[in-house]
Amino acid sequence: GQNIDQPTEMTATEGAIVQINCTYQTSGFNGLFWYQQHAGEAPTFLSYNVLDGLEEKGRFSSFLSRSKGYSYLLLKELQMKDSASYLCAVRDGDYKLSFGAGTTVTVRA
Amino acid sequence: IAGITQAPTSQILAAGRRMTLRCTQDMRHNAMYWYRQDLGLGLRLIHYSNTAGTTGKGEVPDGYSVSRANTDDFPLTLASAVPSQTSVYFCASSQDRSMGTDTQYFGPGTRLTVL
Repeated sequence: GQNIDQPTEMTATEGAIVQINCTYQTSGFNGLFWYQQHAGEAPTFLSYNVLDGLEEKGRFSSFLSRSKGYSYLLLKELQMKDSASYLCAVRDGDYKLSFGAGTTVTVRA
Repeated sequence: IAGITQAPTSQILAAGRRMTLRCTQDMRHNAMYWYRQDLGLGLRLIHYSNTAGTTGKGEVPDGYSVSRANTDDFPLTLASAVPSQTSVYFCASSQDRSMGTDTQYFGPGTRLTVL
């Protein structure tokens, strides 16, 4: 099976930056995804990394290091609407997607 | 365009009853998936289908069955519900599971309570 670890909870202030780390161990690797999930809603796609480095998309950036089995999601200029769970998911060598338990981010005024 | 729809939105079910959760997508995606989401455990794959006519088992398939008669529909059946199947169930679809950039898109979910 796969092992994907991310912190359970994080709290930050509006306008600040928060970095959510994700470490993984998988048999084979075919990409890492980040999803956002607001309470009571479906997960929505945020980012995809398959090569090492940083992918930037507006206020959100995602980084991958395959050799370290490590990724992070960076949320800049935090807004109240960014309060949500952030799910790290890894696609293994058989193209199955496994999810971490999610990190709940609370943005405070 | 609705994307992915699921029905019902929520259901309370007596243990031992049979229940089918419905999932329909209008994106002509080849692959479809069923996940359950429980507190502290994240999303776990129950069953998947790479294309119409084929299905496969995920991480937690016991007690569930699926069928894929056509591209659009992927129902999930609980033959005899048990309380441990109380969960939120998400259906998802993607264009092609073996493509490098393939991204899964999720339906709104079904909240199921088995008493």
